[in-house]
Amino acid sequence: QVQLVESGGGLVKPGGSLRLSCAASGFTFSDYYMSWIRQAPGKGLEWISYMSSSGSTIYYADSVKGRFTISRDNAKNSLYLQMKSLRAEDTAVYYCVRQPDSWGQGTLVTVSS
Amino acid sequence: QSALTQPASVSGSPGQSITISCTGTSGDVGAYNYVSWYQQHPGKAPKLMIYDVSNRPLGVSNRFSGSKSGNTASLTISGLQTEDEADYYCSSYTSGSTYVFGTGTKVTVL
Repeated sequence: QVQLVESGGGLVKPGGSLRLSCAASGFTFSDYYMSWIRQAPGKGLEWISYMSSSGSTIYYADSVKGRFTISRDNAKNSLYLQMKSLRAEDTAVYYCVRQPDSWGQGTLVTVSS
Repeated sequence: QSALTQPASVSGSPGQSITISCTGTSGDVGAYNYVSWYQQHPGKAPKLMIYDVSNRPLGVSNRFSGSKSGNTASLTISGLQTEDEADYYCSSYTSGSTYVFGTGTKVTVL
């Protein structure tokens, strides 16, 4: 069955950087668009980025554009999110999503001094 | 990109039907048949309930149905059950080649 396992979350200071990873299994990873979606504590869902199956098409939400970079390694069945210049408002659970039907359990990123 | 508008809460008694609306614009909901609905129980990851406006993934109960008219999409839950109590979010593809979520609706089973 489809499995998406995120890792790399944690506590980081404002202005810091963090790299999230998502290990995919149970499907042909290289066939699918993949997204990162986040949810701040007690808040709603926010789509932040997606990447096409080949990696040639990438889009970001305005809230993270220029600070976050999505990437993938189809040989390793992995999706990544490099986050820099982190702000308190980036505090959230970050989900790796096989668009639109499969979600990981999420990894918590906390930005605080 | 502004969030799609959903009612904050909807409630109903067991066995009743409820409908959750999701209002966007001509640049998202009104422009594409790429509206999805997600159910989220507390502390859990969202679960896809409806995709492409009205399609149900395998394993999702046929008590869940979706539709769209103009800039507004709707999710109907018929025969409401206690396990349907959760948060529900709509999502749409947009003319900016991005996605946008709704504000979320808390469904309470009375």
